[in-house]
Amino acid sequence: KAGVTQTPRYLIKTRGQQVTLSCSPISGHRSVSWYQQTPGQGLQFLFEYFSETQRNKGNFPGRFSGRQFSNSRSEMNVSTLELGDSALYLCASSLVMTVNEQFFGPGTRLTVL
Amino acid sequence: DAKTTQPNSMESNEEEPVHLPCNHSTISGTDYIHWYRQLPSQGPEYVIHGLTSNVNNRMASLAIAEDRKSSTLILHRATLRDAAVYYCILSRNNNDMRFGAGTRLTVKP
Repeated sequence: KAGVTQTPRYLIKTRGQQVTLSCSPISGHRSVSWYQQTPGQGLQFLFEYFSETQRNKGNFPGRFSGRQFSNSRSEMNVSTLELGDSALYLCASSLVMTVNEQFFGPGTRLTVL
Repeated sequence: DAKTTQPNSMESNEEEPVHLPCNHSTISGTDYIHWYRQLPSQGPEYVIHGLTSNVNNRMASLAIAEDRKSSTLILHRATLRDAAVYYCILSRNNNDMRFGAGTRLTVKP
């Protein structure tokens, strides 16, 4: 069974640009969560999607958005990039939304110059 | 949100048991206790989770205090591959995980 895949793995952007990251969950998984990891703030929850609907949201500005498609694949978008958005963005999938094991992807390393 | 407190770092010798503590004095009745670990250059990996009773799986055991204000992750025989940052997380019936700083475990050969 293939694991969670994230594309691209590495990305370099400049301030003011926007970026879209993609996550393909494990086959059959319907819940997808996104996290941001930085050396200073650690792992921070961005949002969670289930059945194409955002179910939970962390404390991030509106520049961070996401969506989920009918096949459970998810994308997150960051508009008007700032230097502080440089981070590892992790996607995690699970079968359902209730408490259970989450499977994390390898992440997308975003560098904003 | 209920918070967790973990030691910044711990050391262990290979093939010895490791007890990783976590304090969560403000835990609510619906909070599950989760443990994940993150190896270098990888995404976090699920270890174990529980609500009230002690739990065992192939990777580890989770001992939960009777008042649920603390818990301990037990690795029965540490290997070099267990060197990682271990996160203790509380969450309520969903996948909204609020990670803390975690404990960096070093395993010495």
